[in-house]
Amino acid sequence: DQQVKQNSPSLSVQEGRISILNCDYTNSMFDYFLWYKKYPAEGPTFLISISSIKDKNEDGRFTVFLNKSAKHLSLHIVPSQPGDSAVYFCAASPNSGNTPLVFGKGTRLSVIA
Amino acid sequence: NAGVTQTPKFRILKIGQSMTLQCAQDMNHNYMYWYRQDPGMGLKLIYYSVGAGITDKGEVPNGYNVSRSTTEDFPLRLELAAPSQTSVYFCASQGGPSYNEQFFGPGTRLTVL
Repeated sequence: DQQVKQNSPSLSVQEGRISILNCDYTNSMFDYFLWYKKYPAEGPTFLISISSIKDKNEDGRFTVFLNKSAKHLSLHIVPSQPGDSAVYFCAASPNSGNTPLVFGKGTRLSVIA
Repeated sequence: NAGVTQTPKFRILKIGQSMTLQCAQDMNHNYMYWYRQDPGMGLKLIYYSVGAGITDKGEVPNGYNVSRSTTEDFPLRLELAAPSQTSVYFCASQGGPSYNEQFFGPGTRLTVL
């Protein structure tokens, strides 16, 4: 049973436009969410996170939105650049204790020049 | 500060062989993790450790063993390799339960023939 779901395996966006990557979760105990970016032949790298006490967190071109009632979060990239082409993983955890992160399957973003 | 390092980068094993995947971190992190990523899939947790001498099973521990004798090192042992263990293996570390960001190594690509 997937607790963190990324239902779009891939997404193509034109350079300069907005990329929106979506993530849904089922476990109501999750209250901390992270996005990771992964290039081929490299390990994932942390991109941005959000705690459940917020509904938005922004870092430069990247913004994460959290809708707790819908158990949904999204990552917005504006404007999208070719260097953003990568696989993006959503991850979630309860904010306390030793419980490891739970990852989604990832969405492959292709930004077309 | 090298972060999280993994060796080897690539390895081909024959069925029934064994090997140890090495992982080390120099950030003095208590938490360390082993994941595997199969093609088109997300990261699945194999084992994790919350400190030296303490290890625990993740989602897919069968066929693997770990040890954590020091804070820095977290080797993953494969006994009797099987084709189903063909995957990319990532090691990660984390500062502790209040620091949710995990730092990943570059991965080890393992093929079992």
